[in-house]
Amino acid sequence: QQPVQSPQAVILREGEDAVINCSSSKALYSVHWYRQKHGEAPVFLMILLKGGEQKGHEKISASFNEKKQQSSLYLTASQLSYSGTYFCGTAHGSGNTGKLIFGQGTTLQVKP
Amino acid sequence: DGGITQSPKYLFRKEGQNVTLSCEQNLNHDAMYWYRQDPGQGLRLIYYSQIVNDFQKGDIAEGYSVSREKKESFPLTVTSAQKNPTAFYLCASSIEAFSSYNEQFFGPGTRLTVL
Repeated sequence: QQPVQSPQAVILREGEDAVINCSSSKALYSVHWYRQKHGEAPVFLMILLKGGEQKGHEKISASFNEKKQQSSLYLTASQLSYSGTYFCGTAHGSGNTGKLIFGQGTTLQVKP
Repeated sequence: DGGITQSPKYLFRKEGQNVTLSCEQNLNHDAMYWYRQDPGQGLRLIYYSQIVNDFQKGDIAEGYSVSREKKESFPLTVTSAQKNPTAFYLCASSIEAFSSYNEQFFGPGTRLTVL
């Protein structure tokens, strides 16, 4: 079951903050976050693991709520370079398949 | 420079033809993946492989085939059985097999168009 991302799109001014949410109907093992610029490959931002471990870029923060089966990505003091489409990818079960299910994406546009 | 290469960047196919998309990585990664991306949509998993000579179907495997004869190579064949193959195809790799706690590195993609 594909995770649901919200909002679908958001427009910000430079310096403003945004939160992107990812909700799953199944118990989560881990959540991955990627950003994709138009026509390019997705780029890794962060992984969050149930139990609290996480790894990723220092300037990116995210949360993982096991009970609610949700993750949120926090983009603070946004820059023009933050523009793109953000995807969450979820892993389930014991996480030993390497398989991710991606959400439909959230398009972020940062304006000067 | 280590990375993932995909070729060709653009590919045009006539109806009824099989075409093969190349994916090569020199990262010494164990796991490799193929995704399909349609406009305005997320990434959908076609096939994935955790070790050489082994691969599993993803969510949309019908009309596609793969092989994993070498660790660094994971070609995808789009067969004539795939009714709507026009899409952006992304290959990815991850350092460790059988783990969902490692980032996936993506190639630059191949844009396939059916004429």
